Amino acid sequence: GQQVQQSPASLVLQEGENAELQCNFSSTATRLQWFYQHPGGRLVSLFYNPSGTKHTGRLTSTTVTNERRSSLHISSSQTTDSGTYFCAIEPNAYKVIFGKGTHLHVLP
Amino acid sequence: EAAVTQSPRNKVTVTGGNVTLSCRQTNSHNYMYWYRQDTGHGLRLIHYSYGAGNLQIGDVPDGYKATRTTQEDFFLLLELASPSQTSLYFCASSEPPQGWPEVFFGKGTRLTVV
Repeated sequence: GQQVQQSPASLVLQEGENAELQCNFSSTATRLQWFYQHPGGRLVSLFYNPSGTKHTGRLTSTTVTNERRSSLHISSSQTTDSGTYFCAIEPNAYKVIFGKGTHLHVLP
Repeated sequence: EAAVTQSPRNKVTVTGGNVTLSCRQTNSHNYMYWYRQDTGHGLRLIHYSYGAGNLQIGDVPDGYKATRTTQEDFFLLLELASPSQTSLYFCASSEPPQGWPEVFFGKGTRLTVV
């Protein structure tokens, strides 16, 4: 079946440090998204990025489709960035498949 | 405002019990999903649907049934609950993209099977 691998599984940073989260997927995904899960459980979409580079605030997502990888860069991390980041793909028929996530903890 | 509402938010049942989790979306989305989230596994797709009366099997369907009664309502049924189904369940709705694909999640239902 379709596979989505995320690394690292967990990451601890001091506030102000940068983070680089990786996502590798097993098919040429038609649609790739990054999601953020708040520590309380709520899930929200961060980026829809099937290819290329997109920015929003301190977040940058870069997807290289033919290499089947995507990254999420967080610059100048803040304690409020703590939570879990998921990469998800829709390889076909709108079946959205998630990776296992990267747990980020930013220390004050 | 786009919304996905799950009920109940918490549920405790006994092994062998019958449980129904409810999800309603007001986004006018065609696609709805049920996921379970467990430590070490992330979110795993149980069932999904692309419209009223439609049901598609996800990656971990065993022990679960689902029914989409209307465009708004999607139910997950556990007819003989087992402790292995103790989990955090999320419902989501989505619309195939013409541009940005919208995916909205409910707040989750924490189910404990004792």
